[in-house]
Amino acid sequence: KAGVTQTPRYLIKTRGQQVTLSCSPISGHRSVSWYQQTPGQGLQFLFEYFSETQRNKGNFPGRFSGRQFSNSRSEMNVSTLELGDSALYLCASSHSRVEQDTQYFGPGTRLTVL
Amino acid sequence: GENVEQHPSTLSVQEGDSAVIKCTYSDSASNYFPWYKQELGKRPQLIIDIRSNVGEKKDQRIAVTLNKTAKHFSLHITETQPEDSAVYFCAASLWPGGGADGLTFGKGTHLIIQP
Repeated sequence: KAGVTQTPRYLIKTRGQQVTLSCSPISGHRSVSWYQQTPGQGLQFLFEYFSETQRNKGNFPGRFSGRQFSNSRSEMNVSTLELGDSALYLCASSHSRVEQDTQYFGPGTRLTVL
Repeated sequence: GENVEQHPSTLSVQEGDSAVIKCTYSDSASNYFPWYKQELGKRPQLIIDIRSNVGEKKDQRIAVTLNKTAKHFSLHITETQPEDSAVYFCAASLWPGGGADGLTFGKGTHLIIQP
């Protein structure tokens, strides 16, 4: 079974721009969660989507948004980029929020904001 | 929300010795405690997890113990090898899929295996 994939792997943007990141979950997985990883704050939860609905959201400003499509692929968008948004953005998929399957991470998208 | 503290931040051990990483959590409702290993430039990989109805789980050289009363859990690696060098993260959540706050992670432990 193919693992979680993320595109693009690397992005360089300037302040004020917006960016869209994509995540394709493991086949059959319906839940996709997004995390931001930085050296200072570590891994922080952004939001989770299940069956095209945002179920949970972490403590991030409204500039961070996402969506999920009917095939479970998910995108996250960051508008009006700030220098502090530079991070590794990881998505993770799981079969269901209540079953035994755990979350499996993708390779991440490295975003650099200049 | 949940808060996970992880210690130590850096751990250096001689090859062949054991390594222990400890985590505490704040939310008594948490039921799921995974450990992830992240090598430089790679994705976090699940190495072992434990659910709240189990006190200990072992997989070859890796074991995890959970004390729900004290709200702490630990990762034990025996007979350490050079390939064990990585950053290890503990996490807690309501259930395996995440829960209201997703997985809440500790800050990580950089494990260094000295030859």
